[in-house]
Amino acid sequence: AQSVSQHNHHVILSEAASLELGCNYSYGGTVNLFWYVQYPGQHLQLLLKYFSGDPLVKGIKGFEAEFIKSKFSFNLRKPSVQWSDTAEYFCAVNAHADSWGKLQFGAGTQVVVTP
Amino acid sequence: DVKVTQSSRYLVKRTGEKVFLECVQDMDHENMFWYRQDPGLGLRLIYFSYDVKMKEKGDIPEGYSVSREKKERFSLILESASTNQTSMYLCASRRGGGANVLTFGAGSRLTVL
Repeated sequence: AQSVSQHNHHVILSEAASLELGCNYSYGGTVNLFWYVQYPGQHLQLLLKYFSGDPLVKGIKGFEAEFIKSKFSFNLRKPSVQWSDTAEYFCAVNAHADSWGKLQFGAGTQVVVTP
Repeated sequence: DVKVTQSSRYLVKRTGEKVFLECVQDMDHENMFWYRQDPGLGLRLIYFSYDVKMKEKGDIPEGYSVSREKKERFSLILESASTNQTSMYLCASRRGGGANVLTFGAGSRLTVL
């Protein structure tokens, strides 16, 4: 069975600081990888995804993530955060072989950006 | 854009009541999912459906059942609600096959007293 581990449960940082959220998964086969974000009071929405090809993927709002296959990692980065990036961030994995698209989620990281 | 609509944003029920959570999607997606979201646990899959009248258990199906009589509608049923089912419930849908993305509804926050 797959599992997804997010390294930090809570992160507090100031505006303009750089953000990196760690995500590791355990699954030996080919995977699809996702980062979802949930802003306060809003529904879960896709930030970025990796299916194949270039392991560095760019998403919305200046976010990017790098897939490192040898480390089973898919870390999320943003060079300079804004107050509006305050949200909960979820890493998710789906086995390529799973045609139903079931996602396994990490526990989430609550990010608070202070002005 | 795909829209996934959950009919109830907030519900308060009593222990032992039967609870129905409804979810409708408007983009003819084959696959639909019910997750529950709890602090520190992320999202956990309860049930999913890959076609009308077809359903599969997820990771935590105990205490829940589902119904999918029409392609656009996927219902989650708590036959006898218990306090440990107090949670946020999220419905999602995706087009079948291949590398497709889940689209989520706004969620239904259920409190069981």
